[in-house]
Amino acid sequence: SQQGEEDPQALSIQEGENATMNCSYKTSINNLQWYRQNSGRGLVHLILIRSNEREKHSGRLRVTLDTSKKSSSLLITASRAADTASYFCATAISGGYNKLIFGAGTRLAVHP
Amino acid sequence: SAVISQKPSRDICQRGTSLTIQCQVDSQVTMMFWYRQQPGQSLTLIATANQGSEATYESGFVIDKFPISRPNLTFSTLTVSNMSPEDSSIYLCSAEGNGGPGGTQYFGPGTRLLVL
Repeated sequence: SQQGEEDPQALSIQEGENATMNCSYKTSINNLQWYRQNSGRGLVHLILIRSNEREKHSGRLRVTLDTSKKSSSLLITASRAADTASYFCATAISGGYNKLIFGAGTRLAVHP
Repeated sequence: SAVISQKPSRDICQRGTSLTIQCQVDSQVTMMFWYRQQPGQSLTLIATANQGSEATYESGFVIDKFPISRPNLTFSTLTVSNMSPEDSSIYLCSAEGNGGPGGTQYFGPGTRLLVL
């Protein structure tokens, strides 16, 4: 079963706008990883944030982690049409030899 | 990082047959993982493949249906046995990169399976 939920399930924005996706989970984690998937293709790794970290940046991406609320967010700034994809959070469970449990995903559409 | 390849990339199979999917990693890794992604859904972990021991299956998945081999530290196979249309999915393998346990997990491009 899935570890958590992502919201929104779908997000539609214009190019240049920011996109924020949220992820909640249920149990203690070692780390949380965000992935992008274009049209049912393979997963592209975006960012890994460890349980003792609160925020990480990579280019136009910013990820936050609040372990007290068991939640994370992914912010994409100045979005582009090429950012159109599904985004998944995945948690590596404590004591679970780092197998990943995926959220339901957010489908992002960025319109030119 | 780890570069992961899978074969075949896609296949169309008849019900009742079996398909073996191969996963190759460009470096030695301790654990490899197999996931299923049903149409329009997220990824669900099938099993964890540890070299030298039997795979560990998640709830709802059994070895008779999804036998896994892990003959060495860079290679694994997943067989989808006695297939039915409900097995139509993308199957993905993954492994952790050079950072070791607790690090980034990289995914292969997936095998898109259609069962008629």
